[in-house]
Amino acid sequence: EVQLVESGGGLIQPGGSLRLSCAASGFTVSSNYMSWVRQAPGKGLEWVSVIYSGGSTYYADSVKGRFTISRDNSKNTLDLQMISLRAEDTAVYYCARGTRYFDLFDDWGQGTLVTVSS
Amino acid sequence: EIVLMQSPGTLSLSPGERATLSCRASQSVSGRYLAWYQQKPGQAPRLLVYGASSRATGIPDRFGGSGSGTDFTLTISRLEPEDFAVYYCQQYGGSPTFGGGTKVEIK
Repeated sequence: EVQLVESGGGLIQPGGSLRLSCAASGFTVSSNYMSWVRQAPGKGLEWVSVIYSGGSTYYADSVKGRFTISRDNSKNTLDLQMISLRAEDTAVYYCARGTRYFDLFDDWGQGTLVTVSS
Repeated sequence: EIVLMQSPGTLSLSPGERATLSCRASQSVSGRYLAWYQQKPGQAPRLLVYGASSRATGIPDRFGGSGSGTDFTLTISRLEPEDFAVYYCQQYGGSPTFGGGTKVEIK
Protein backbone atom coordinates (compact mmCIF):
# COMPACT_ATOMS: atom_id res chain seq x y z
CA GLU A 1 0.00 0.00 0.00
CA VAL A 2 1.31 3.44 -0.94
CA GLN A 3 1.69 5.76 2.03
CA LEU A 4 3.10 9.27 2.34
CA VAL A 5 3.58 10.90 5.75
CA GLU A 6 4.73 14.52 6.02
CA SER A 7 6.37 16.10 9.04
CA GLY A 8 8.25 19.23 10.02
CA GLY A 9 5.57 21.89 9.83
CA GLY A 10 5.05 24.50 12.50
CA LEU A 11 5.01 28.19 13.37
CA ILE A 12 7.92 30.20 12.01
CA GLN A 13 8.66 33.91 11.90
CA PRO A 14 8.92 35.77 8.59
CA GLY A 15 12.41 35.41 7.19
CA GLY A 16 12.93 32.10 8.98
CA SER A 17 13.73 28.65 7.65
CA LEU A 18 12.01 25.29 7.92
CA ARG A 19 12.62 21.81 6.57
CA LEU A 20 9.74 19.53 5.68
CA SER A 21 10.08 15.80 5.25
CA CYS A 22 7.89 13.15 3.65
CA ALA A 23 8.36 9.47 4.50
CA ALA A 24 7.22 7.12 1.76
CA SER A 25 6.31 3.46 1.95
CA GLY A 26 4.96 0.96 -0.54
CA PHE A 27 7.07 2.34 -3.40
CA THR A 28 10.49 3.80 -4.14
CA VAL A 29 10.73 7.59 -4.07
CA SER A 30 13.64 7.68 -6.49
CA SER A 31 11.65 5.84 -9.17
CA ASN A 32 8.80 8.33 -9.31
CA TYR A 33 8.04 12.01 -9.85
CA MET A 34 7.79 13.47 -6.35
CA SER A 35 6.25 16.88 -5.76
CA TRP A 36 5.24 19.30 -3.07
CA VAL A 37 1.82 20.93 -3.45
CA ARG A 38 0.50 23.51 -1.01
CA GLN A 39 -2.87 24.87 0.01
CA ALA A 40 -3.28 28.16 1.84
CA PRO A 41 -6.00 28.11 4.52
CA GLY A 42 -9.41 28.07 2.87
CA LYS A 43 -7.85 28.42 -0.57
CA GLY A 44 -7.07 26.29 -3.61
CA LEU A 45 -4.08 24.17 -4.54
CA GLU A 46 -0.70 25.33 -5.84
CA TRP A 47 2.10 23.14 -7.16
CA VAL A 48 5.41 24.08 -5.52
CA SER A 49 8.23 21.83 -6.71
CA VAL A 50 9.12 18.48 -8.27
CA ILE A 51 12.09 16.15 -8.35
CA TYR A 52 12.31 13.72 -11.24
CA SER A 53 13.59 10.17 -10.95
CA GLY A 54 16.72 11.31 -12.74
CA GLY A 55 17.29 14.02 -10.14
CA SER A 56 16.23 17.11 -12.08
CA THR A 57 14.35 19.66 -10.00
CA TYR A 58 11.84 22.37 -10.89
CA TYR A 59 10.09 25.07 -8.93
CA ALA A 60 7.13 27.39 -9.12
CA ASP A 61 8.18 31.00 -9.70
CA SER A 62 6.73 31.95 -6.30
CA VAL A 63 9.33 29.84 -4.45
CA LYS A 64 12.28 29.75 -6.86
CA GLY A 65 15.51 30.62 -5.11
CA ARG A 66 14.01 30.13 -1.65
CA PHE A 67 12.91 26.47 -1.61
CA THR A 68 15.02 23.40 -2.36
CA ILE A 69 13.60 19.94 -2.99
CA SER A 70 15.69 16.84 -2.37
CA ARG A 71 15.39 13.17 -1.56
CA ASP A 72 17.25 10.64 0.55
CA ASN A 73 17.26 7.37 -1.32
CA SER A 74 18.57 5.41 1.67
CA LYS A 75 15.64 6.55 3.81
CA ASN A 76 13.07 6.69 0.98
CA THR A 77 12.16 10.23 1.95
CA LEU A 78 11.44 13.51 0.20
CA ASP A 79 12.45 16.86 1.72
CA LEU A 80 11.68 20.52 1.16
CA GLN A 81 14.10 23.08 2.59
CA MET A 82 12.43 26.48 2.86
CA ILE A 83 14.29 29.72 3.60
CA SER A 84 13.32 33.39 3.64
CA LEU A 85 9.78 32.42 4.50
CA ARG A 86 6.97 34.92 3.93
CA ALA A 87 3.45 35.21 5.27
CA GLU A 88 2.13 34.10 1.89
CA ASP A 89 3.95 30.78 2.30
CA THR A 90 1.49 29.87 5.05
CA ALA A 91 -0.24 26.70 3.89
CA VAL A 92 -0.69 23.00 4.31
CA TYR A 93 2.12 21.35 2.39
CA TYR A 94 1.39 18.00 0.77
CA CYS A 95 3.89 15.63 -0.76
CA ALA A 96 2.50 13.88 -3.80
CA ARG A 97 3.56 11.13 -6.17
CA GLY A 98 3.22 11.17 -9.93
CA THR A 99 3.59 7.94 -11.87
CA ARG A 100 2.69 9.07 -15.40
CA TYR A 101 3.36 12.80 -15.52
CA PHE A 102 5.29 14.91 -13.06
CA ASP A 103 2.26 17.05 -12.41
CA LEU A 104 -0.51 14.43 -12.32
CA PHE A 105 -0.76 13.49 -8.68
CA ASP A 106 -1.80 9.89 -8.08
CA ASP A 107 -1.09 9.73 -4.35
CA TRP A 108 -0.97 12.35 -1.61
CA GLY A 109 0.15 12.56 1.98
CA GLN A 110 -2.07 13.99 4.71
CA GLY A 111 -0.17 17.29 4.76
CA THR A 112 1.75 19.36 7.29
CA LEU A 113 0.81 22.93 8.23
CA VAL A 114 3.35 25.72 7.93
CA THR A 115 2.39 29.03 9.52
CA VAL A 116 4.59 32.05 8.88
CA SER A 117 3.75 34.76 11.37
CA SER A 118 5.36 37.03 13.90
CA GLU B 1 -0.09 30.21 -17.51
CA ILE B 2 -3.42 28.53 -18.13
CA VAL B 3 -6.11 29.85 -15.78
CA LEU B 4 -8.91 27.43 -14.89
CA MET B 5 -12.30 28.80 -13.88
CA GLN B 6 -14.69 26.42 -12.12
CA SER B 7 -18.43 26.89 -11.87
CA PRO B 8 -20.59 27.02 -9.98
CA GLY B 9 -18.75 27.92 -6.81
CA THR B 10 -21.24 25.93 -4.75
CA LEU B 11 -23.71 23.29 -5.85
CA SER B 12 -26.53 22.40 -3.44
CA LEU B 13 -28.04 19.03 -4.23
CA SER B 14 -29.71 16.06 -2.54
CA PRO B 15 -28.38 12.50 -2.42
CA GLY B 16 -29.41 10.62 -5.55
CA GLU B 17 -29.36 13.74 -7.74
CA ARG B 18 -27.01 14.35 -10.66
CA ALA B 19 -24.15 16.83 -10.27
CA THR B 20 -22.59 18.66 -13.20
CA LEU B 21 -19.40 20.62 -12.54
CA SER B 22 -17.74 22.86 -15.11
CA CYS B 23 -14.10 23.78 -15.67
CA ARG B 24 -13.20 26.37 -18.31
CA ALA B 25 -9.62 27.07 -19.36
CA SER B 26 -8.21 30.41 -20.51
CA GLN B 27 -6.55 28.62 -23.44
CA SER B 28 -6.78 25.20 -24.98
CA VAL B 29 -5.56 22.34 -22.78
CA SER B 30 -3.31 20.28 -25.01
CA GLY B 31 -3.67 16.52 -25.13
CA ARG B 32 -6.77 16.69 -22.92
CA TYR B 33 -4.37 16.85 -19.96
CA LEU B 34 -7.13 17.72 -17.55
CA ALA B 35 -7.66 16.03 -14.17
CA TRP B 36 -10.28 16.20 -11.43
CA TYR B 37 -9.66 15.76 -7.70
CA GLN B 38 -12.01 15.38 -4.75
CA GLN B 39 -11.13 16.86 -1.37
CA LYS B 40 -13.03 16.32 1.87
CA PRO B 41 -12.53 18.55 4.94
CA GLY B 42 -9.23 17.87 6.66
CA GLN B 43 -8.15 15.40 3.99
CA ALA B 44 -5.76 15.41 1.09
CA PRO B 45 -7.10 15.61 -2.46
CA ARG B 46 -7.85 12.34 -4.24
CA LEU B 47 -7.39 11.84 -7.97
CA LEU B 48 -10.70 10.98 -9.66
CA VAL B 49 -10.21 11.53 -13.38
CA TYR B 50 -7.25 12.16 -15.68
CA GLY B 51 -6.95 12.63 -19.42
CA ALA B 52 -10.30 14.45 -19.18
CA SER B 53 -12.29 11.20 -19.09
CA SER B 54 -10.26 8.30 -17.64
CA ARG B 55 -11.17 7.25 -14.13
CA ALA B 56 -8.34 6.68 -11.69
CA THR B 57 -7.93 3.32 -10.00
CA GLY B 58 -10.79 2.46 -7.65
CA ILE B 59 -13.02 5.38 -8.63
CA PRO B 60 -16.72 4.39 -8.98
CA ASP B 61 -18.29 4.65 -12.41
CA ARG B 62 -20.81 7.23 -11.21
CA PHE B 63 -17.95 9.71 -11.74
CA GLY B 64 -17.51 10.69 -15.36
CA GLY B 65 -15.35 13.27 -17.08
CA SER B 66 -15.76 14.79 -20.50
CA GLY B 67 -14.67 17.70 -22.65
CA SER B 68 -11.76 18.99 -24.68
CA GLY B 69 -10.11 22.23 -25.70
CA THR B 70 -11.20 24.81 -23.15
CA ASP B 71 -14.40 23.27 -21.72
CA PHE B 72 -14.48 20.29 -19.40
CA THR B 73 -17.15 18.69 -17.22
CA LEU B 74 -17.22 16.34 -14.26
CA THR B 75 -20.52 14.55 -13.83
CA ILE B 76 -21.57 12.56 -10.78
CA SER B 77 -24.54 10.54 -11.98
CA ARG B 78 -26.18 9.88 -8.61
CA LEU B 79 -24.79 11.57 -5.53
CA GLU B 80 -23.89 9.32 -2.63
CA PRO B 81 -23.50 10.78 0.90
CA GLU B 82 -19.72 10.41 0.66
CA ASP B 83 -19.59 12.52 -2.53
CA PHE B 84 -20.30 15.81 -0.79
CA ALA B 85 -16.93 17.53 -0.97
CA VAL B 86 -14.90 20.11 -2.89
CA TYR B 87 -13.83 19.25 -6.43
CA TYR B 88 -10.84 20.75 -8.23
CA CYS B 89 -9.88 20.58 -11.86
CA GLN B 90 -6.21 20.73 -12.83
CA GLN B 91 -4.32 20.94 -16.10
CA TYR B 92 -1.05 19.06 -16.27
CA GLY B 93 1.72 18.22 -18.73
CA GLY B 94 3.87 21.19 -17.75
CA SER B 95 3.25 24.40 -15.73
CA PRO B 96 0.39 22.83 -13.75
CA THR B 97 -2.48 24.95 -12.48
CA PHE B 98 -5.63 24.22 -10.49
CA GLY B 99 -9.11 25.69 -10.63
CA GLY B 100 -10.61 27.42 -7.61
CA GLY B 101 -12.88 24.51 -6.76
CA THR B 102 -16.59 23.69 -6.65
CA LYS B 103 -18.16 22.75 -3.35
CA VAL B 104 -20.91 20.15 -3.60
CA GLU B 105 -23.05 20.50 -0.49
CA ILE B 106 -26.12 18.75 0.82
CA LYS B 107 -29.33 20.64 0.08
